[in-house]
Amino acid sequence: QKEVEQNSGPLSVPEGAIASLNCTYSDRGSQSFFWYRQYSGKSPELIMFIYSNGDKEDGRFTAQLNKASQYVSLLIRDSQPSDSATYLCAVMGAGGFKTIFGAGTRLFVKA
Amino acid sequence: EAGVAQSPRYKIIEKRQSVAFWCNPISGHATLYWYQQILGQGPKLLIQFQNNGVVDDSQLPKDRFSAERLKGVDSTLKIQPAKLEDSAVYLCASSLPSGRAGEQFFGPGTRLTVL
Repeated sequence: QKEVEQNSGPLSVPEGAIASLNCTYSDRGSQSFFWYRQYSGKSPELIMFIYSNGDKEDGRFTAQLNKASQYVSLLIRDSQPSDSATYLCAVMGAGGFKTIFGAGTRLFVKA
Repeated sequence: EAGVAQSPRYKIIEKRQSVAFWCNPISGHATLYWYQQILGQGPKLLIQFQNNGVVDDSQLPKDRFSAERLKGVDSTLKIQPAKLEDSAVYLCASSLPSGRAGEQFFGPGTRLTVL
C-alpha cells in the first residue's frame, strides 16, 4: 500500500465547474496535510494546508480533512483553464519531520 | 523576498560520469530538502537537513549519492557515478523548521538527463 495515494487522472472538468481532488494516506498519526500545484515543466507550489478535521477555505479553494477516514480532499470552485495542472497531496507524518508526496492528479479544465 | 535558487537548470551527462547540483534556500529557512522527481511521479525525498545536520536520508542511495550543507545555508547534491535511472528533475526546497516544515518552497529544479 502506498503511503499517500491519489487518482492519477486525468480529471477533466468544464470551465466554471467544481473540481474535486482526493487523497488517502496510510499513517494514522499524520498531523499536517498540504496541497501543491505543479504546472507542466515547473516546480510545485504550495496552495493549501490543513491541520484539523473539517474544512478550510481560501478563495476558490477548499481543503477538507477527515482523519478518521484518513482522507483529505481539495475542491476548486469556478474552475478556470489556468487551474489545469497536476495537484500533489503531501502528508507530514507523526514525527513532524518527513513529508511524503502522492503521485499527483492531473486536472484539465476545458474552456 | 528571493526564492530558492538552484543551478544548473539543465545537465546532460553520460552514465558513469559525475554531476553536482547546488541550492541556496530562502534566507532564514533552517530546513532544506532535496527531492528527486521522475516524470509522472511525485517528488521523492532524498535528504532533509535541519541547519547543517541530517534529519532524514533514508531514501538516499548512499553508494552513489552524497549531499552536504556546510554552514547551514547552501547545499550541494552529488551523484557519482550516474546511472540511466538517475534521469529526473532534482528539486531543492526549504521551509521554516518544525511545525511549519510541510510548508515548503521549491526552487526551479535541475533537469538531469543521463545518456
